[in-house]
Amino acid sequence: NAGVTQTPKFRVLKTGQSMTLLCAQDMNHEYMYWYRQDPGMGLRLIHYSVGEGTTAKGEVPDGYNVSRLKKQNFLLGLESAAPSQTSVYFCASSYAASGPGNTIYFGEGSWLTVV
Amino acid sequence: KNEVEQSPQNLTAQEGEFITINCSYSVGISALHWLQQHPGGGIVSLFMLSSGKKKHGRLIATINIQEKHSSLHITASHPRDSAVYICAAAPPYNNDMRFGAGTRLTVKP
Repeated sequence: NAGVTQTPKFRVLKTGQSMTLLCAQDMNHEYMYWYRQDPGMGLRLIHYSVGEGTTAKGEVPDGYNVSRLKKQNFLLGLESAAPSQTSVYFCASSYAASGPGNTIYFGEGSWLTVV
Repeated sequence: KNEVEQSPQNLTAQEGEFITINCSYSVGISALHWLQQHPGGGIVSLFMLSSGKKKHGRLIATINIQEKHSSLHITASHPRDSAVYICAAAPPYNNDMRFGAGTRLTVKP
């Protein structure tokens, strides 16, 4: 019963470096999301996907790219990390859109620091 | 102004007290979610509401659609209830849920 798994859990990057966060879910969910959580603010949607091969921008997409080559995986990439991207990143998945009857499941979070 | 506002931001209670956390939202919704974030960071879904009231154990969630307001109540609070509680509004026509900043609850023994 893995649910939603994120890797890595912690990472320190230098400004300008690139990295990829991996999210994997084993619930056969169509919808997957990447959020960032900053102190004093609510979770904000970076990008999301409504199925294999599809991606869409959320509220704060700049500086990030995503890919959904396989239904179970949703990758978040930082091409050139900036200190403003220091945050906690959460992946989530759901069977359908976030309306009634569709529970959303979250990963444990990935702590990213850009120095 | 944030689209989802929670109050209070921080709440400290003694074990056994009745707890109320409030959430007001300004967007149209298809559902309102209550989430719990543990001290280690993990987030779990507690409730999803589109109307009325739901109960699970000592937790009760209510929503008033006309007033755009929801409350989460915890009866007989316990130290293990200490966490951040987050409400999130799910709009009807897109996948961009709007989250409150969270209410940090500490229950002291």
